[in-house]
Amino acid sequence: AQTVTQSQPEMSVQEAETVTLSCTYDTSESDYYLFWYKQPPSRQMILVIRQEAYKQQNATENRFSVNFQKAAKSFSLKISDSQLGDAAMYFCTSLLTQGGSEKLVFGKGTKLTVNP
Amino acid sequence: EPEVTQTPSHQVTQMGQEVILRCVPISNHLYFYWYRQILGQKVEFLVSFYNNEISEKSEIFDDQFSVERPDGSNFTLKIRSTKLEDSAMYFCASSSLGPLYGYTFGSGTRLTVV
Repeated sequence: AQTVTQSQPEMSVQEAETVTLSCTYDTSESDYYLFWYKQPPSRQMILVIRQEAYKQQNATENRFSVNFQKAAKSFSLKISDSQLGDAAMYFCTSLLTQGGSEKLVFGKGTKLTVNP
Repeated sequence: EPEVTQTPSHQVTQMGQEVILRCVPISNHLYFYWYRQILGQKVEFLVSFYNNEISEKSEIFDDQFSVERPDGSNFTLKIRSTKLEDSAMYFCASSSLGPLYGYTFGSGTRLTVV
């Protein structure tokens, strides 16, 4: 079975500062993808960043980057130069690709507050 | 930016009643999903739908649940006889290229069964 754990229910950061959200996962499979999704208050959940497990290079999308440690099964999200619009619930998710599964497995989420 | 639209945003229904949750996915997307989040718990997968048929479903998705894409634009989730434990936030999602490239989710429908 797959599990995803986000150990920080809430985090806060000052505007323009950097924050790192933690995520660990557990799977015995070798082929999988990892994603971070962002859900602003009362708005839809959108994809922030994705990482293929077979790639060693950490994914980056503008101010968002990940630290993917495959051996440690860790997938943290770093937000640089935090903006007020980054305030949201952030979900770490995993997707096994073996067998053609389409099921995302979610962590419980981390609520990020950005202070002006 | 294109959005996945879900209606209604809140629905209250009596136990045993049928409920239909509606979703309008992004127009050129081909893959459709329903997820739910019971209060205080993780978001969990219900079903995936592609090419007018279910491609995968979870253990939660029993005979009380069904999905349909009746007219090429809407994607619905029907719960035939609601139970108290069906109370949750239900999220619709769609994707153009499939799950490996990520989804766009709707804002959700909060279903309360009383």
